[in-house]
Amino acid sequence: DQQVKQNSPSLSVQEGRISILNCDYTNSMFDYFLWYKKYPAEGPTFLISISSIKDKNEDGRFTVFLNKSAKHLSLHIVPSQPGDSAVYFCAATDLIAGGTSYGKLTFGQGTILTVHP
Amino acid sequence: DVKVTQSSRYLVKRTGEKVFLECVQDMDHENMFWYRQDPGLGLRLIYFSYDVKMKEKGDIPEGYSVSREKKERFSLILESASTNQTSMYLCASSRGQGSPYYEQYFGPGTRLTVT
Repeated sequence: DQQVKQNSPSLSVQEGRISILNCDYTNSMFDYFLWYKKYPAEGPTFLISISSIKDKNEDGRFTVFLNKSAKHLSLHIVPSQPGDSAVYFCAATDLIAGGTSYGKLTFGQGTILTVHP
Repeated sequence: DVKVTQSSRYLVKRTGEKVFLECVQDMDHENMFWYRQDPGLGLRLIYFSYDVKMKEKGDIPEGYSVSREKKERFSLILESASTNQTSMYLCASSRGQGSPYYEQYFGPGTRLTVT
């Protein structure tokens, strides 16, 4: 049972354009969401996060939007750069609910982003 | 900077061998995790530990065990390696419960091939 889903295995965009990566979740207990970025031969690195009490969080070129009613979040990268080419993972946890998850994250399948010069 | 190191970047083992993957973190984190990454399946949690000698099963613990004798070190053990355990293995750590963020810090991964 995949509780966090990234339905697009890959995305290709032109440099300077917007990249939009999508993520859906099914577990209504999830209340904190993170995006990780992974380059080949490296471990994932944290990119940006959002709490369920917000619907938007920005950090430079990266913005995450959360639609709780639709159980959907998206990561916008504007403008996209060739160095953004990587695998992006969406992750979720039940942080604020005080669950006994011990910081356990549930990850999606990942989306391979390719930004062409 | 948090550093998570894994003992090997690449490993090749034979079916039936006992395999040890070691992970060390230098930030005094309470939580440590072992994942495997497979194409189309993302990161799947094998085991995690929230304290020394404490462990809990993740989503796919079958065929694996773990050991955490010291806070900074978390070992993944494949009791009898099989070809379906060929994968990228990633270790991660994070601060304990009660912290404002559950950000995990990952090691570079170990590419294990079982032949």
